[in-house]
Amino acid sequence: GAGVSQSPRYKVAKRGQDVALRCDPISGHVSLFWYQQALGQGPEFLTYFQNEAQLDKSGLPSDRFFAERPEGSVSTLKIQRTQQEDSAVYLCASSLRVGGASYEQYFGPGTRLTVT
Amino acid sequence: KNEVEQSPQNLTAQEGEFITINCSYSVGISALHWLQQHPGGGIVSLFMLSSGKKKHGRLIATINIQEKHSSLHITASHPRDSAVYICAVQNYGGSQGNLIFGKGTKLSVKP
Repeated sequence: GAGVSQSPRYKVAKRGQDVALRCDPISGHVSLFWYQQALGQGPEFLTYFQNEAQLDKSGLPSDRFFAERPEGSVSTLKIQRTQQEDSAVYLCASSLRVGGASYEQYFGPGTRLTVT
Repeated sequence: KNEVEQSPQNLTAQEGEFITINCSYSVGISALHWLQQHPGGGIVSLFMLSSGKKKHGRLIATINIQEKHSSLHITASHPRDSAVYICAVQNYGGSQGNLIFGKGTKLSVKP
């Protein structure tokens, strides 16, 4: 079956532009995570959705970052007024996880954002 | 101090060698994941474990909960194993299962 897909795969934005990154999780997966991976670093948590509810946004680095998942499937990560430090790979992952159990997370290919 | 530490940071091996990558963590966990990331960014889950040992093909992952340590072993390494290997933990009682990642170990296997 289809895995997690993300679009666009690559995005170049001029400083100050707004960008929107899309994630299509595996059908039926309840949980959806966004991570940010700077060059040469491990990914870092940004935000978490359970269905359409954004239960944790503690990792969002500033109020320029906004995420939504209005119908509990596709999610969009929006960055307003992009800055050079926003340049990174943005990864989306989904899992069947509900409640306290641990489930495998399935990752998308990521969107590489370059802010010039 | 990072909550998840990996070693070594970089590793070069000859084809056929036995490889070990280590991961130490400082938080209580519900599970530990080993992930593989190829150039271009795609991440694949190799193992998820909370105790003992798991084996899949030439890959073996072990975890010692008391010592807060895990290892990933690759037997009979091959150039196609070249990738970044990332250790990540799910923080027990943490935020709905988001992962805390190590910085990764870049493995290069030479023919």
